[in-house]
Amino acid sequence: GAVVSQHPSWVICKSGTSVKIECRSLDFQATTMFWYRQFPKQSLMLMATSNEGSKATYEQGVEKDKFLINHASLTLSTLTVTSAHPEDSSFYICSSAGTLPGNTIYFGEGSWLTVV
Amino acid sequence: DAKTTQPTSMDCAEGRAANLPCNHSTISGNEYVYWYRQIHSQGPQYIIHGLKNNETNEMASLIITEDRKSSTLILPHATLRDTAVYYCIVRGSNTGANSKLTFGKGITLSVRP
Repeated sequence: GAVVSQHPSWVICKSGTSVKIECRSLDFQATTMFWYRQFPKQSLMLMATSNEGSKATYEQGVEKDKFLINHASLTLSTLTVTSAHPEDSSFYICSSAGTLPGNTIYFGEGSWLTVV
Repeated sequence: DAKTTQPTSMDCAEGRAANLPCNHSTISGNEYVYWYRQIHSQGPQYIIHGLKNNETNEMASLIITEDRKSSTLILPHATLRDTAVYYCIVRGSNTGANSKLTFGKGITLSVRP
């Protein structure tokens, strides 16, 4: 069964609104979670690293004020796309690993965001 | 940047073994080789990983060369449901942010009936 769960699986929102995506680790505590974005026919691009109890680390070119990440507990990280625009439409995927070195990273099912 | 190179695509017949190659010539001593696959419109699925020795699980086998500069993922009896993009990724053994996975373009495996 899944060890990382994302919600919602898909969402449609209007331009200018905000949408939140949740990522939960089900079987383990995750001090670190990773958020990826994937456009059609492209590979996964790391957006940010979510750290429990501290600020997220964003990859170059990713706007931290637009993609708000909150990692308030060891099992939950959220990504909020603020003031969404059609170009933000994408497949968003989270992943997490346990706290031991070399632990396998598992991915959520992904969340399709369509901004209209 | 991805530290691996893979062919763009390959195909194989259903029921036959699929051998997916990967080059990672700059791999360092404490880095693992991980394989994931992504079926259309789903999150990546973990397949297998290894450090030095060959590994086998219920999904696949991983053969790592002695110099660790390349590896091969083997699906022993490919089915149509194995059609996917397969990613070979080199990853350190560190925890936290240093354990992130960097994806390349992967190899598209098409299993034909």
